[in-house]
Order: sequence, then structure tokens, then C-alpha cells
Amino acid sequence: QVQLQESGPGLVKPSQTLSLTCTVSGGSISSGSYYWNWIRQPAGKGLEWIGRIYTSGSTNYNPSLKSRVTILLDTSKNQFSLKLSSVTAADTAAYYCAREYEPQNYFDLWGQGPLVTVST
Amino acid sequence: QSVLTQPPSASGTPGQRVTISCSGSSSNIGSIYVYWYQQLPGAAPKLLIYRSNQRPSGVPDRISGSKSGTSASLAISGLRSEDEADYYCVAWDDRLSGWVFGGGTKLTVL
Repeated sequence: QVQLQESGPGLVKPSQTLSLTCTVSGGSISSGSYYWNWIRQPAGKGLEWIGRIYTSGSTNYNPSLKSRVTILLDTSKNQFSLKLSSVTAADTAAYYCAREYEPQNYFDLWGQGPLVTVST
Repeated sequence: QSVLTQPPSASGTPGQRVTISCSGSSSNIGSIYVYWYQQLPGAAPKLLIYRSNQRPSGVPDRISGSKSGTSASLAISGLRSEDEADYYCVAWDDRLSGWVFGGGTKLTVL
């Protein structure tokens, strides 16, 4: 059974870069037709799509975050990652990694969504 | 301000039927499918409806989705206490080249 697990610092200082990794277990990240997404949710608020990467390496980003976001795929480690630069308190949120099943384009697997706090 | 517009709250009594609306534009709901997710407190979202009106296996048939023009709806009949959750509509936006979410609707079972 395929599972997703986010990892990374739970606290990031303002102006620094937030870095998270999503490890895929129980299956290969490069097999099948999947997009690998990052989605975030500030406490008590709604969901916001950050971006995605396809198994080919092609990416799509939320235009409002595009200048600060990089999503990479590491097939050797069965992982994909998120880097969000120049963070502020507004970037404090639970960050989910999610698998998007390409033929039907729905998010069928989610990670646990750890909270990342931006604070001094 | 979310690209897709949902009412912030909805409510019903056990056994009732409730609907949650989602309004968008020609670049998202008007041109492609809508998806609905349920999020229980402290949990990741769970898929309820894909391609506007399709249920994945395991989702009961008392839950249904529909789409007309640039709007979509999620209907839950035979309301149960375990349906109390937040519900989100999602669609691909061709103009933004990305996924857009509704602001979420908190469903309360009275």
C-alpha cells in the first residue's frame, strides 16, 4: 500500500527558505501516471494549492507563489520536495503532499500535513 | 479570496438532505470537471466526488455531485452525525494553469 510522508523543519525563520520532502513508500514514484502535489492549509482556514510535478519532471505552480516555489523530483530516493523562499508569517500552515491520479485527476493519497511555523 | 466560491457554513438535522454550492467561472468549472473533498478535524482531505458526479469506491450513494454551467453542487442525503466536516470544491483553472479551491463549507449536523 502506497503511503506519503512529509518531513522537514517545523520552524523556519522569516526571510529564510522552507524545505520539505515527501517520501513515497510502498511503490515507485516514477511508475504510473501521477502528478505529485504540494497543498497547504493555514490553521482554521482553507486549502491552497502550491504546485505539482509530473513523473517526467514537468511542473505547474500557483501563480501567486510561483516566484518563490521550486518542486523537484528525486527518483533515486523515491521522494519529491518543496522549497519556498523568502517566507513570512503568512506562510505558516500545514503542508500536505498529495498524489494526483492523472487519468482522472483527483488527489487519491495524502500525507499527514505537518505544521510549519514561520517565526523568529 | 478563493477563486471558487462556497458558502462558509451549512447545516441540517439527521436524515435531512443538504446541498453545498460552488461557483466558479468559464476558465474553471465552466470548462472542466469539479471535485469534492471532505475534511474531518485534524485529518487530511478525502475524495468524495470526481469528474463532477462520479463517486469513488467506498463513498455511499447518498452523496452525489452535479454541475451546471459555471456552478456545481454537492448533495448529502440521509444526513448523519459523521458527515459533520469541512467540504471543499476543487477545479483545474485553464487561465491560471493550476488547481483552484473553494474556501470550504463547514457542515454542522444539528
